[in-house]
Amino acid sequence: AQSVTQLGSHVSVSEGALVLLRCNYSSSVPPYLFWYVQYPNQGLQLLLKYTSAATLVKGINGFEAEFKKSETSFHLTKPSAHMSDAAEYFCAVSVRRGAQKLVFGQGTRLTINP
Amino acid sequence: DTEVTQTPKHLVMGMTNKKSLKCEQHMGHRAMYWYKQKAKKPPELMFVYSYEKLSINESVPSRFSPECPNSSLLNLHLHALQPEDSALYLCASSQVGTGNSPLHFGNGTRLTVT
Repeated sequence: AQSVTQLGSHVSVSEGALVLLRCNYSSSVPPYLFWYVQYPNQGLQLLLKYTSAATLVKGINGFEAEFKKSETSFHLTKPSAHMSDAAEYFCAVSVRRGAQKLVFGQGTRLTINP
Repeated sequence: DTEVTQTPKHLVMGMTNKKSLKCEQHMGHRAMYWYKQKAKKPPELMFVYSYEKLSINESVPSRFSPECPNSSLLNLHLHALQPEDSALYLCASSQVGTGNSPLHFGNGTRLTVT
């Protein structure tokens, strides 16, 4: 069965520091992978997606993620954290084609220290 | 601004009440979804509609009854809920395709069952 595992339920970084949020996937077929962000009292917003066109994917708000098949990873990074990046981040894998079934990781709460 | 609109934003209901959650999108998407999200947890899929037909029901109790009147609207009818059903209910929509279409989420309805 396809699944994702996010390592670290809580990550704290200083403003201006590198952000690294880890996601590993399990899939028997080439996966479609997504990163979503959720701000307090809001829905989920797509940051970026991997669909096999390129292994390095650039998203919104300066985030990017690299698909590494050998490591079954899809980690999310941002070179310089901003206070507005504080939120909950979810990695997700699509496990069904068509009207898809999206399965989420447990989430990582990102805190930015001034 | 989100392109998926959910109403109401907040709902408090007793265990004997009947209420409905509404979701609307005008992006031309033909797949629509209901997710349930408990505090500090990832969203969990409840139902998927594809071309206005129910395609996935994740063994949701019958006190939750979905309806898709047309391609733009999705309802979730609630009856005889339990306090443990209190959660954020998220609606989403996407294109029907190969599984790489991102989901667009609304901001959710926060439901409290008393």
